[in-house]
Amino acid sequence: DIQMTQSPSSLSASVGDRVTITCQASQDISNYLNWYQQKPGKAPKLLIYDASNLETGVPSRFSGSGSGTDFTFTISSLQPEDIATYYCQQYDNLPPAFGGGTKVEIK
Amino acid sequence: EVQLVESGGGLVQPGRSLRLSCTASGFTFGDYAMSWVRQAPGKGLEWVGFIRSKAYGGTTEYAASVKGRFTISRDDSKSIAYLQMNSLKTEDTAVYYCTRVPRGGYYFDYWGQGTLVTVSS
Repeated sequence: DIQMTQSPSSLSASVGDRVTITCQASQDISNYLNWYQQKPGKAPKLLIYDASNLETGVPSRFSGSGSGTDFTFTISSLQPEDIATYYCQQYDNLPPAFGGGTKVEIK
Repeated sequence: EVQLVESGGGLVQPGRSLRLSCTASGFTFGDYAMSWVRQAPGKGLEWVGFIRSKAYGGTTEYAASVKGRFTISRDDSKSIAYLQMNSLKTEDTAVYYCTRVPRGGYYFDYWGQGTLVTVSS
């Protein structure tokens, strides 16, 4: 099974800061990598698919990049409504696997 | 608007069974695979399993942790997906989310609000 390692597990940043989260796959997954946002008490929401494609309606301050084993998720200017836990997920092979999550808080 | 609504969660004793339902609307249910993802309290996301559309045989896949105990089925005439959970264990305690699987990938583009299953004596 493919393992997904996400870091950091949590971070605290100020409004307006640039925030970066990384996700590493245990083997090459091409660009079969998604990012989800889960706000407290809510269901996850798909933000980015195929490593870098923004889901419809998602603000452009969110972006993703990478291929192979190393991926990056960026919030270019952190907003108060971005407080959430973010998860990466590979879908190159079964079983689909999630990273451990990154909890983003406001400093 | 795509909507997925789970029901059937609750408190159940270890070793017993429970069936969850996911009622879908806003899309042609029969055209899509459907999946279940769970989240234990304070923990991350874990894929449980999915069922392909009838066009792809309606076959199922499961996580190793639930294989042989859980069964996913679907009723396309009612736009409902089911998760039958047998021989429940305390470690199955989680919020269970129903998700839609888009064509072309094992991922999850729409999620229900989730239903809590608590396995405890």
